[in-house]
Amino acid sequence: GAVVSQHPSWVICKSGTSVKIECRSLDFQATTMFWYRQFPKQSLMLMATSNEGSKATYEQGVEKDKFLINHASLTLSTLTVTSAHPEDSSFYICSARGPDRDTGELFFGEGSRLTVL
Amino acid sequence: GQNIDQPTEMTATEGAIVQINCTYQTSGFNGLFWYQQHAGEAPTFLSYNVLDGLEEKGRFSSFLSRSKGYSYLLLKELQMKDSASYLCAVMDSNYQLIWGAGTKLIIKP
Repeated sequence: GAVVSQHPSWVICKSGTSVKIECRSLDFQATTMFWYRQFPKQSLMLMATSNEGSKATYEQGVEKDKFLINHASLTLSTLTVTSAHPEDSSFYICSARGPDRDTGELFFGEGSRLTVL
Repeated sequence: GQNIDQPTEMTATEGAIVQINCTYQTSGFNGLFWYQQHAGEAPTFLSYNVLDGLEEKGRFSSFLSRSKGYSYLLLKELQMKDSASYLCAVMDSNYQLIWGAGTKLIIKP
């Protein structure tokens, strides 16, 4: 099946710094990618929909100036957590719709666990 | 509002069968998904139902009734590795995925 790769898997940073997470579709082109956040023992929460060549669409309550999303190519979307604080510590996951649009299947990256000290 | 309901936690015995239910109320319907998520890992796709009925894939089956807003995931011949959270998600009329909170399945020997 289609492969989505996410990097880094783990990141620890100091409060106030910025962290960039990359999401790549390795063997297909993804015009749309999704970014989720998941706190412990909770479900996935959609943060934003990333569209290649245009601005991301953010969900209500998600600060677009804090969570910068760039979808510069058909295979790469990046999420930058700016001025990270301990409350931003979470599991961030990206996904992309597979090449078979009829199924609507989403392929997920491995996830990135962010810990802000 | 949009709502997906599934049990928080279930326990079953190795080798047995377990059914995880999901009910939904969404603005429009473009399919229902089941994902498996092991602790600390990203979800993996299990099934997609858009028409009523049962879809079988090996030990896992998924059922959908659109008129009842109801689905279930059936796991047979349970193995210890099936211990995970199972997420139900519905794609609404805007093709947005609405996620349930997940059902934590605990398998006991």
